[in-house]
Amino acid sequence: ETGVTQTPRHLVMGMTNKKSLKCEQHLGHNAMYWYKQSAKKPLELMFVYNFKEQTENNSVPSRFSPECPNSSHLFLHLHTLQPEDSALYLCASSQNRGQGGDTQYFGPGTRLTVL
Amino acid sequence: RKEVEQDPGPFNVPEGATVAFNCTYSNSASQSFFWYRQDCRKEPKLLMSVYSSGNEDGRFTAQLNRASQYISLLIRDSKLSDSATYLCVVNNSDYKLSFGAGTTVTVRA
Repeated sequence: ETGVTQTPRHLVMGMTNKKSLKCEQHLGHNAMYWYKQSAKKPLELMFVYNFKEQTENNSVPSRFSPECPNSSHLFLHLHTLQPEDSALYLCASSQNRGQGGDTQYFGPGTRLTVL
Repeated sequence: RKEVEQDPGPFNVPEGATVAFNCTYSNSASQSFFWYRQDCRKEPKLLMSVYSSGNEDGRFTAQLNRASQYISLLIRDSKLSDSATYLCVVNNSDYKLSFGAGTTVTVRA
């Protein structure tokens, strides 16, 4: 299934590096999301974009910087991360924000390891 | 109190068995409810929505109890391919989903 794609699938970076995660959705959706999934913990919503506008920043540290140039693409720029930021980062999209029960479709995720 | 709580399991069941588990949610104003399935090292995928009247999809049955604020998932005639982590998901507002940490089910031959 290629509805939502993410690159890279795996990333190892040092605490001083700068890297970016990319997400692309081919579903014609208007809303996109970044989630963090740590081991044995629930998915944590990080950011929400609707029609390219950021509508939610869930108290995410500034070392994570999202960018949404259009409704199909979403980036997460990373800099000076900490080892505790190691996790699976999932991108998702949905048809619209604001629709009760709107289904979110997830990408395969980027497994990030911060050394 | 966590917004969504699940028994982490694991539930180890033989093929053909029935397995059921619940999820509780804290926000009585929650509007929509879902079960997602997540295979090991893969992304979550929608298994089914949960409707007030309860609903069935093949071997899977979901129930909602608003009074007690829980939803349930029952899997009949378990298959090896049912082995996964099942995530309980609650929609508390227009777009914000709250996820449980998941219930792991392992079906053995």
